[in-house]
Amino acid sequence: AQSVTQPDIHITVSEGASLELRCNYSYGATPYLFWYVQSPGQGLQLLLKYFSGDTLVQGIKGFEAEFKRSQSSFNLRKPSVHWSDAAEYFCAVAKYNNNDMRFGAGTRLTVKP
Amino acid sequence: DAGITQSPRHKVTETGTPVTLRCHQTENHRYMYWYRQDPGHGLRLIHYSYGVKDTDKGEVSDGYSVSRSKTEDFLLTLESATSSQTSVYFCAISESGEGGYTFGSGTRLTVV
Repeated sequence: AQSVTQPDIHITVSEGASLELRCNYSYGATPYLFWYVQSPGQGLQLLLKYFSGDTLVQGIKGFEAEFKRSQSSFNLRKPSVHWSDAAEYFCAVAKYNNNDMRFGAGTRLTVKP
Repeated sequence: DAGITQSPRHKVTETGTPVTLRCHQTENHRYMYWYRQDPGHGLRLIHYSYGVKDTDKGEVSDGYSVSRSKTEDFLLTLESATSSQTSVYFCAISESGEGGYTFGSGTRLTVV
């Protein structure tokens, strides 16, 4: 089955600094890849997704992610972090029809003033 | 989240009692999912449904059953709750086999 690893449990960045959250996946075929964000006490919100085509995908809230097949990675980036970005971020991978989406353990982002 | 509601939001129950969690959607989406969220594990799929009365098991289905008698409702039942089922449960919906999911706000279940 497919799986996802998020190597960083917790990351702290200063407001205005750039951000990169790492995601590595394991799946034999071309995966469907997703990034979700979860604010405290809330459900998950989809930030962006990759199915095929351009390997650099743009999402909401100024986030982008790049699919690198050779590295089995789908890292999330943002050029300038805002205090409101503090949350937990989940990477997910799915097969076609995504009825068995697998999530990483999450990365908690803290933003320093 | 708009179009998907979970009830109850919080529940405390005793070991050995049955518990049913409800997910209700107003989006008429075909696919519905139940996940549990535990620290260090992210979200893990319990069961999903691909239509009325059509369900299948996910990664951590033992101890759980589901039912979907109407498009809009997807019920998760713990037949005999155990302390290991203490968790936050999320329902999600999806219109088709592509695209991301829309999640509900979750149900925090504590089994004492």
